[in-house]
Amino acid sequence: SQKIEQNSEALNIQEGKTATLTCNYTNYSPAYLQWYRQDPGRGPVFLLLIRENEKEKRKERLKVTFDTTLKQSLFHITASQPADSATYLCALGTGRRALTFGSGTRLQVQP
Amino acid sequence: SQTIHQWPATLVQPVGSPLSLECTVEGTSNPNLYWYRQAAGRGLQLLFYSVGIGQISSEVPQNLSASRPQDRQFILSSKKLLLSDSGFYLCAWSVWALSGNTIYFGEGSWLTVV
Repeated sequence: SQKIEQNSEALNIQEGKTATLTCNYTNYSPAYLQWYRQDPGRGPVFLLLIRENEKEKRKERLKVTFDTTLKQSLFHITASQPADSATYLCALGTGRRALTFGSGTRLQVQP
Repeated sequence: SQTIHQWPATLVQPVGSPLSLECTVEGTSNPNLYWYRQAAGRGLQLLFYSVGIGQISSEVPQNLSASRPQDRQFILSSKKLLLSDSGFYLCAWSVWALSGNTIYFGEGSWLTVV
């Protein structure tokens, strides 16, 4: 069955450093991959989408890579700030089907 | 711009009681609509999705049901709640684009079954 793995342990980093979160998947050939941010008690918010034929996507301090051979996506936040503290979810999609979400990784940026 | 409204935000219900969560979307036509559930510290579980009025697909067999009486209205129901139904319920919408199926979530409804 399809499986999406995100590190369940929280990632703690110092302000100003680059945070790198990992999303691995198996038994899946997604056409695109998305990253969402979720704050406690709130619904997830869309951040970035990257298609299977794209290697890298950037948006301000965010960068996403997508390696379909390794079946992995990396999500980077450069110059991290305490306001970046949240849970980050990756989601995989194919065609018009509903997205399949990972369980998320909590990021804590220390001032 | 598009907005999504979901209510109630919080509810505490006894075991065996009925449930009705409602969601409406504004600013778009014929959206795909979704109900997800998130248990504490867990990922998002897709419960139902709908591509049009009266068209509901169920992803997980359970005592919940969904209905779409109007284009931009999606309702999650149960006749008899179980303790295991407790969780954070999220309604969401999307409109298919060639770039992908980006989903936009409501603020969620916290359900505690006691």
